[in-house]
Amino acid sequence: AQTVTQSQPEMSVQEAETVTLSCTYDTSENNYYLFWYKQPPSRQMILVIRQEAYKQQNATENRFSVNFQKAAKSFSLKISDSQLGDTAMYFCAFMKRTDNAGKSTFGDGTTLTVKP
Amino acid sequence: NAGVTQTPKFRILKIGQSMTLQCTQDMNHNYMYWYRQDPGMGLKLIYYSVGAGITDKGEVPNGYNVSRSTTEDFPLRLELAAPSQTSVYFCASEIGGTSGGYTFGSGTRLTVV
Repeated sequence: AQTVTQSQPEMSVQEAETVTLSCTYDTSENNYYLFWYKQPPSRQMILVIRQEAYKQQNATENRFSVNFQKAAKSFSLKISDSQLGDTAMYFCAFMKRTDNAGKSTFGDGTTLTVKP
Repeated sequence: NAGVTQTPKFRILKIGQSMTLQCTQDMNHNYMYWYRQDPGMGLKLIYYSVGAGITDKGEVPNGYNVSRSTTEDFPLRLELAAPSQTSVYFCASEIGGTSGGYTFGSGTRLTVV
């Protein structure tokens, strides 16, 4: 079974600064996908960024980028130019496809507060 | 497009009662999932479906049942509610095989007293 660990329960950052959220995972699989989801106080889960394990190039989406280290089983999220709207809980998730279904294992989340 | 719609948004149940959490998606996604989120924790998979008529258990299926009679609908049934089922329930869907990530519903907060 896969496990996903987010070692930072809470973090804070000043507006306009950069913050990095950590995620490590444990798996014996070679083909899988990794995701970061954002959950603001509204409770809605929103996909932030995805990474395919077979791609060495780190994914980027505007102010969000990842540092994917496959050998170290590490998948950190960097948020640049932090905005007040980035305040949310962030979940790291590991997905493998089994019988075509994309079943995910989630970490316990990191609560990020962006301070004005 | 409405995306993934969950009803109700909130519900309080008494121990031993039953209820159905509704989930509907209008994106023609084959794959649908039910997760629960306990306070301060990540999401855990309850059941999933890869298409109409096909369902299977996830990590925490005990106390729940599902059906998938159409592509659009994937209801979750709670029989004999217990306090341990107090949680936030999320329905999610994805286009088959792309692993592009889930589209989530807005969740149902269920309290069993």
